[in-house]
Amino acid sequence: KNEVEQSPQNLTAQEGEFITINCSYSVGISALHWLQQHPGGGIVSLFMLSSGKKKHGRLIATINIQEKHSSLHITASHPRDSAVYICAVEETSGSRLTFGEGTQLTVNP
Amino acid sequence: KAGVTQTPRYLIKTRGQQVTLSCSPISGHRSVSWYQQTPGQGLQFLFEYFSETQRNKGNFPGRFSGRQFSNSRSEMNVSTLELGDSALYLCASTPRQGEETQYFGPGTRLLVL
Repeated sequence: KNEVEQSPQNLTAQEGEFITINCSYSVGISALHWLQQHPGGGIVSLFMLSSGKKKHGRLIATINIQEKHSSLHITASHPRDSAVYICAVEETSGSRLTFGEGTQLTVNP
Repeated sequence: KAGVTQTPRYLIKTRGQQVTLSCSPISGHRSVSWYQQTPGQGLQFLFEYFSETQRNKGNFPGRFSGRQFSNSRSEMNVSTLELGDSALYLCASTPRQGEETQYFGPGTRLLVL
């Protein structure tokens, strides 16, 4: 069993839909990161969370430390949101990141 | 400020050769981390350097090594290349160890034949 599990693995949505990607982890963490990777490989850091909720534009990330679970929400999805979304946890022992397998999101016009 | 740069962007090597990849962090950033991404294993942490010292190391064989220079630029080396080393190698920088956001470079795509 992976330390970080994401669901779903693949997600197809229509433009405008509300999207949720989930991340569960089994280790103690100091922080959780959400990353976005576009075709070609470039990775952008979206959020770093240690508690509660953060919002940036149409993106919202939440974390429940007790339940070891985080969600990434995209409101009013757009085709340019199509990418792989990766959850990563920063373990309490240091700053190394452990990654989930990623969620491939496709938003159709 | 310029972003994280990695050179070369693409590389083809043959089994048994060695390779050196370079990462220049954002100016003022002192922490550099390296990651390997493959279709089968996904993203995996290789190592992290801060102020020229390796602070963390992932579960990779000793063929994988790295270093950081006084100007925070970092290199990673893979010796005796194997087919399974074909991957996208990414580096990321932060101002200090454990700093919030990691800024990723575009990666070096290595193909081992």
